Amino acid sequence: TAGITQAPTSQILAAGRSMTLRCTQDMRHNAMYWYRQDLGLGLRLIHYSNTAGTTGKGEVPDGYSVSRANTDDFPLTLASAVPSQTSVYFCASSDTGQALGGYTFGSGTRLTVV
Amino acid sequence: AQKVTQAQTEISVVEKEDVTLDCVYETRDTTYYLFWYKQPPSGELVFLIRRNSFDEQNEISGRYSWNFQKSTSSFNFTITASQVVDSAVYFCALSEAIHLAGGYQKVTFGTGTKLQVIP
Repeated sequence: TAGITQAPTSQILAAGRSMTLRCTQDMRHNAMYWYRQDLGLGLRLIHYSNTAGTTGKGEVPDGYSVSRANTDDFPLTLASAVPSQTSVYFCASSDTGQALGGYTFGSGTRLTVV
Repeated sequence: AQKVTQAQTEISVVEKEDVTLDCVYETRDTTYYLFWYKQPPSGELVFLIRRNSFDEQNEISGRYSWNFQKSTSSFNFTITASQVVDSAVYFCALSEAIHLAGGYQKVTFGTGTKLQVIP
């Protein structure tokens, strides 16, 4: 089934450690995004990429970095995790052509920083 | 800056009742897109509908209907004859067209409304 694959599904991470959340799509969408979901705050954009080789900052980019080496992959890295980064992380992609639709989301990564 | 407000944090209804989820948005753009997403207890996010700012026709899909009113900047979602499977968190979202020139959708989400349908 076409879509977005995120890994891992969940992770407990010690504060100060680094971690990369993986995201791969097979729909050939140009645009990809990382959101974090927190209770009472909805989903907030961390970083986005409109095409391979280009990335941009979203609403809450501090403490996170991304790369877009190719169309399919958009990993999110936490260089030195802090407890406030405990959240559910969603990767998404979109078709920004004439057939503009909504996002396709991955199933999420639940991260707990202790 | 764009903003989406979902004032209803949680709603409980008895099965078969109708329920309306409110969404109010703010944007300076004249062309924009509105969305509704569903997040069931399993956690995945499911796209339900997209509406363009220049198309104010209401839309009905089965038991779901959407009322878009530019005059009040609202995009409300009604579920008719609710069912237990409708229990979920529903997110309203807004994307301004200006970002499309840069090749991406910058979507702002509301904080969500948790709907509980009681059997």
